[in-house]
Amino acid sequence: EVQVVESGGGLVQPGGSLRLSCEASGFTFTNYAMGWVRQAPGKGPEWVSIISSSGGSTYYADSVKGRSTISRDNSRNTLYLEMNSLRAEDTAVYYCAKRHGDHGVVDNWGQGTLVTVSS
Amino acid sequence: EILMTQSPATLSVSPGERATLSCRASQSVSSNLAWYQQKLGQAPRLLIYAASTRATGLPARFSGSGSGTDFTLTISSLQSEDFAFYYCQQHNEWPWTFGQGTKVEIK
Repeated sequence: EVQVVESGGGLVQPGGSLRLSCEASGFTFTNYAMGWVRQAPGKGPEWVSIISSSGGSTYYADSVKGRSTISRDNSRNTLYLEMNSLRAEDTAVYYCAKRHGDHGVVDNWGQGTLVTVSS
Repeated sequence: EILMTQSPATLSVSPGERATLSCRASQSVSSNLAWYQQKLGQAPRLLIYAASTRATGLPARFSGSGSGTDFTLTISSLQSEDFAFYYCQQHNEWPWTFGQGTKVEIK
């Protein structure tokens, strides 16, 4: 069974930093691009970042570009998202996302981890 | 960035009836359009991608159509478990973008 499990969310002050992790199992992690999708309260989801299967290519939404770094450790089947200079508008549930083949869609989601940016 | 607009915001439907949800892109996304279902407190679930391809295990009552800028998700006969939020997402160009959602509620 495919599983992705996020961790690392929590309450952080504006301007602070956070690193999210996602442990994957049940599929060949090295074969798939992975990403992060977030959803602010009462809003639609938003793609934040995606990384290729090898880790050689990364893409970011403009809203986080320059403040975030996506990475992966294929030896540990783990995906990361490091976020800096956090703002109130970064408050959201962050989902780890497994990309479906070559399509830019998510066929497996984690349960999400809540990031709250507040003083 | 491609803007995705869904209508209506809320759709009230009786069980057993047909539901038709719309999604419009601000520019052509070819057939690169997906639909997700989300229930309260849960992660979204992929229903349809490439405009009309059903995700594995999706019941046949769900169908997607359209190309270019205008797309439709049809649920032919609503079951109790189908009352939820539905989001469209273009996967034609990065950043892949979602619509604001349609809530399908019991009439």
